[in-house]
Amino acid sequence: GQQLNQSPQSMFIQEGEDVSMNCTSSSIFNTWLWYKQDPGEGPVLLIALYKAGELTSNGRLTAQFGITRKDSFLNISASIPSDVGIYFCAGLAGGTSYGKLTFGQGTILTVHP
Amino acid sequence: KAGVTQTPRYLIKTRGQQVTLSCSPISGHRSVSWYQQTPGQGLQFLFEYFSETQRNKGNFPGRFSGRQFSNSRSEMNVSTLELGDSALYLCASSWGTSRGVQYFGPGTRLTVL
Repeated sequence: GQQLNQSPQSMFIQEGEDVSMNCTSSSIFNTWLWYKQDPGEGPVLLIALYKAGELTSNGRLTAQFGITRKDSFLNISASIPSDVGIYFCAGLAGGTSYGKLTFGQGTILTVHP
Repeated sequence: KAGVTQTPRYLIKTRGQQVTLSCSPISGHRSVSWYQQTPGQGLQFLFEYFSETQRNKGNFPGRFSGRQFSNSRSEMNVSTLELGDSALYLCASSWGTSRGVQYFGPGTRLTVL
C-alpha cells in the first residue's frame, strides 16, 4: 500500500541536540499527524496539523504543515533520553478516505546521555 | 477519560485457525479504524467503521473482516490464519469526521505458528 516518504530512517544524537525529520508525499493530505511509538505499544499522538502553512508547537516539539499540502516536518529541540522511540508521520486525505491514515516508515531516534 | 482499550494484548495461534480481536474506543467516539503493523510493511490500514457501518477498506484479503456494535465497540476477525498474519494489530478511535484525529490503543500482538 501507499506510504509516505519519511526521513531520516534513524538518528543517533547526543542529549541536548535538536532533531529534524520530515515526510513527503505525492498526494495531498488535509490533515498531517505526528505520532511517537514505544516498543510494544500503540502510537501516541504528538501534534495534529489542519491547515497548509500551519506551524504548531507542543512543548519542545514543533511541526509544520507544508504549503503544498504534500509534506510536513517535525522538530524536537534540546532532546532528552525519554525522546527515544519511533516517530511516525501520518496523513489523512479527507473526502471519502474515512478513517484511513497513511503512514511514513518511521524515524528511529536514539538519544545518548 | 479512559483511552482506547484492546483485548487480548497477546495471542498465539496456529496456521489455519481463526482469531477475533476486540477494541473499545474512547467514550463518545463513533469511528474505529484497524491497522496492521509489521516490520516489513509498516502500518497498513485494514478498515474503518462508523455507526456500525464499514465506510472504508484497505487492500487486505477477505479473510480479514470486522464489525462494530451499537456501543461503538469493534471486533476484527481473521480466518484461516497464515504465518504472514503475525503482526501487531492496532485499533484507533476518533469522532469520525473527515479531519478526525485518531487515538490508538496498545495493540494486540498476534503470533501465528
